[in-house]
Amino acid sequence: EIVLTQSPATLSLSPGERATLSCRASQSVSSFLAWYQQKPGQAPRLLIYDASNRAAGIPARFSGSGSGTDFTLTISSLEPEDFAVYYCQQRTNSLTFGGGTKVEIK
Amino acid sequence: QLQLQESGSGLVKPSQTLSLTCTVSGGSISSDHYSWSWIRQPPGKGLEWIGYIYHSGSTYYNPSLKSRVTISVDRSKSHFSLNLTSVTAADTAMYYCARDLRGLVNIWGQGTMVTVSS
Repeated sequence: EIVLTQSPATLSLSPGERATLSCRASQSVSSFLAWYQQKPGQAPRLLIYDASNRAAGIPARFSGSGSGTDFTLTISSLEPEDFAVYYCQQRTNSLTFGGGTKVEIK
Repeated sequence: QLQLQESGSGLVKPSQTLSLTCTVSGGSISSDHYSWSWIRQPPGKGLEWIGYIYHSGSTYYNPSLKSRVTISVDRSKSHFSLNLTSVTAADTAMYYCARDLRGLVNIWGQGTMVTVSS
C-alpha cells in the first residue's frame, strides 16, 4: 500500500497569507496525485488533479506541484473560505489518502 | 446535475452486516467512463477508500477490507450498494458514496453516519 504523509498537521495562518502544504508518498506515484478540500460537515471537494491541474471552478489561487514522491499544494493568498482540512490522494496503486492538513485561522 | 444520496441503517450491532445504498439521480449510472465508489471517514479522522464498481459489475476493493466488502450495482434502479460484514466499533464512520473517474473523485454524496454499537 502506498502511504501518503502530509505535513504539517496544522497550519495557523492569517487571511491574505500564503499557505504551503506538503504531501510525501512512500513510493513514486508519478503525477497521479490529487488534492481535496473538506470543510466541517461537508463532503470533500476535488481541487487539484494529476499534481498540478485545477478542477473545474477552482480559483487560480490554488496551485499544485511535484512529481514522484514529493508534492505541494499552495494557496497564494488565503481567503476566509479557505480555512479547512486538505487531503492528498494517490491513484497509482489502489486509492489512498493522506492524513490531512488543517489550515486554521491564526 | 448529478446527485448522489446515501441511505441505510445508521446503527449496526457488532458482528452484523452494514448495508448502505447510494441512489444516483440527474445522470446515468451506466456511463463507461465512471466508476462508483464508497469512501468512509471515522469521526475526527481521515478518509479511507473502500472500493468501487463499474456499471458492468466489475469491482475493485481496498485490500485491507476486501474480505468483508461487497459492492453491487442495480442499473434498473440507478443505485449501487455496500455490504460490510462482521463490523466492529472500528467501522463507525461517515460513509460517502461518490462518482470517480479513474480514481479522481469528483462528485460526492452528503454522507451518512453509521455507528456500530450494541
